[in-house]
Formats: sequence, C-alpha cells, structure tokens
Amino acid sequence: RKEVEQDPGPFNVPEGATVAFNCTYSNSASQSFFWYRQDCRKEPKLLMSVYSSGNEDGRFTAQLNRASQYISLLIRDSKLSDSATYLCVVNPPGGYQKVTFGTGTKLQVIP
Amino acid sequence: DAGVTQSPTHLIKTRGQQVTLRCSPISGHKSVSWYQQVLGQGPQFIFQYYEKEERGRGNFPDRFSARQFPNYSSELNVNALLLGDSALYLCASSRDGGNLNYGYTFGSGTRLTVV
Repeated sequence: RKEVEQDPGPFNVPEGATVAFNCTYSNSASQSFFWYRQDCRKEPKLLMSVYSSGNEDGRFTAQLNRASQYISLLIRDSKLSDSATYLCVVNPPGGYQKVTFGTGTKLQVIP
Repeated sequence: DAGVTQSPTHLIKTRGQQVTLRCSPISGHKSVSWYQQVLGQGPQFIFQYYEKEERGRGNFPDRFSARQFPNYSSELNVNALLLGDSALYLCASSRDGGNLNYGYTFGSGTRLTVV
C-alpha cells in the first residue's frame, strides 16, 4: 500500500456543485495532516490543516477519519477559481523526512 | 513580510554540469526543506535543515547536497546533472524543527531543465 494515495481525477464539476476528495494514508501513527492547493506550474499553497474534530474555512471543510485512515476535503458552491490540483500531506512520526505528499487530485470547475 | 524567496526561477543546464539553487525562508522560520517535483507527481522530500544542521534526508543520491547558513538561508547543490533531474525544485519554510505541526510555506520554485 502506498503511504499516501489520492484519486488523480480529473474531477470535472459544474459551477456551484459540491465536490469531495479523499486521501488515504498507511501509517496509523500519523500526527498532522494538511491540504494544499497547487495551480498549474506554481508552488503548492497551504489551503488548510486537518484537525481531528474536523474544521471548516468558508466553503471548504476538512475531516479526518483515523479509524479508516483517510482525510477528506469538501468544497461547496464550486467556483471557476477553485480549478487546481489538491494535494494531501501526511506527517507520520519520524521527522520531516517522513512527510509525504499525495500525487494530487485535479479539479476542473466548468462554467 | 517577505515570503519564501528562491533563485533563480528558471535554469537550463547540460548533462554533467553542476547547479546551485538558493532559498531564503520567511523571517523567523529556522527550518528549510527542499523538495523535487516532477510533472504529474507530488513533491518528493530531499533535505531538511534546522538551525544549520541537517535533520532529514530523502532517498536521493549523494549528488544532491545542501547547507544552511547562519541567517537560515539555504543552498541546494546538484552535481553531475542527469536528464532525470529536470524538475521543479521547491524550498519550504516552516516554524518548527522536529515535526511539521503548522505546515509549510513554499517558495515559487526553481524550474530546472537538463538538456
């Protein structure tokens, strides 16, 4: 099993739709989790951390399911500007060399 | 406040050459990590430096080396370049040294093309 797995997509959704991505991880001792957004040929930018209790930032909701070892990102009322690749990041114990990025899920919001 | 700055932004080198990439972290951040991202993949960890000491090393050959200076800026060196080294090299700044609790802030990267 890969350390971090994401569905590469692309997810093509109409404006205003709700879309959700999952990211599974293999190390049950992983301690912190993040979602990053990456636009084409740009650097990843931190979208949000993922907390055990779940957290929300505007139209974005992140959740952690430790029992099933996955994190999720829900985007409500999709905008054209949400089109990007979404990377999940998992931080197992053992230092920075263990921090693992998923390969990303590509989202295309269609007018 | 300045973010993470990287230089150069683009670079073209020939096989066998050597390259040095530079990074300045966010003011107050003492940890710098280097990542390699090839097209269609997530970033791959190369090194982490904290307080001028190497704290982590990824699965990259010895041709890759790095260092951190007293002002916390960092350089990544790659010797004997191969075509497969063509990638976006990202520098990431973070607050903590031992564990990634707050996430990274990335620089805009150096796009290296080896021909």
